Amino acid sequence: DAGVTQSPTHLIKTRGQHVTLRCSPISGHKSVSWYQQVLGQGPQFIFQYYEKEERGRGNFPDRFSARQFPNYSSELNVNALLLGDSALYLCASSQGWGNEQFFGPGTRLTVL
Amino acid sequence: QKEVEQDPGPLSVPEGAIVSLNCTYSNSAFQYFMWYRQYSRKGPELLMYTYSSGNKEDGRFTAQVDKSSKYISLFIRDSQPSDSATYLCAMSNFGNEKLTFGTGTRLTIIP
Repeated sequence: DAGVTQSPTHLIKTRGQHVTLRCSPISGHKSVSWYQQVLGQGPQFIFQYYEKEERGRGNFPDRFSARQFPNYSSELNVNALLLGDSALYLCASSQGWGNEQFFGPGTRLTVL
Repeated sequence: QKEVEQDPGPLSVPEGAIVSLNCTYSNSAFQYFMWYRQYSRKGPELLMYTYSSGNKEDGRFTAQVDKSSKYISLFIRDSQPSDSATYLCAMSNFGNEKLTFGTGTRLTIIP
């Protein structure tokens, strides 16, 4: 079975630009969460979507937004990029509350 | 104070040794406890998933949760060079998908 997939693998942007990251969950999973992992740190929670509704939001500025589509795939958008947004962005999927979350390989974003 | 504390290491042990990795936490609402393994520049891979207190064993891996002490552990028996990775502990509340992670412990198994 295919795991969580994310695209693109790598991305280089300049300050002020915007970026869209994509995630496809494991088949049958209806919950998608996004995390930011800065080098040397554990992942930090950004958003969680379940059945296309936002169910949780971490301590990130409004420049970060996300949505979930009817097929349960998801997009993470970041506007007005800052140098500090450089990180590995991870997507995780699960069947729902109280179930294991499985991570994708991540998208490595570099902001110059 | 961080909600989840984890010794970042690095930790180096000889092949075949027993490895002990630990996390402490301050939020008594945490009910679900996980250990993830992350190889360099890859996504985290779920190793162990436990609910509330107790022990869980899976092959060479044993997870322990002591909610009274707010302390969780992961033991790796007969460690192999392929176990060399960063190990992340993670926790969540009941009915909440938000995972709170430790900083990760970098482990190297020396052949």
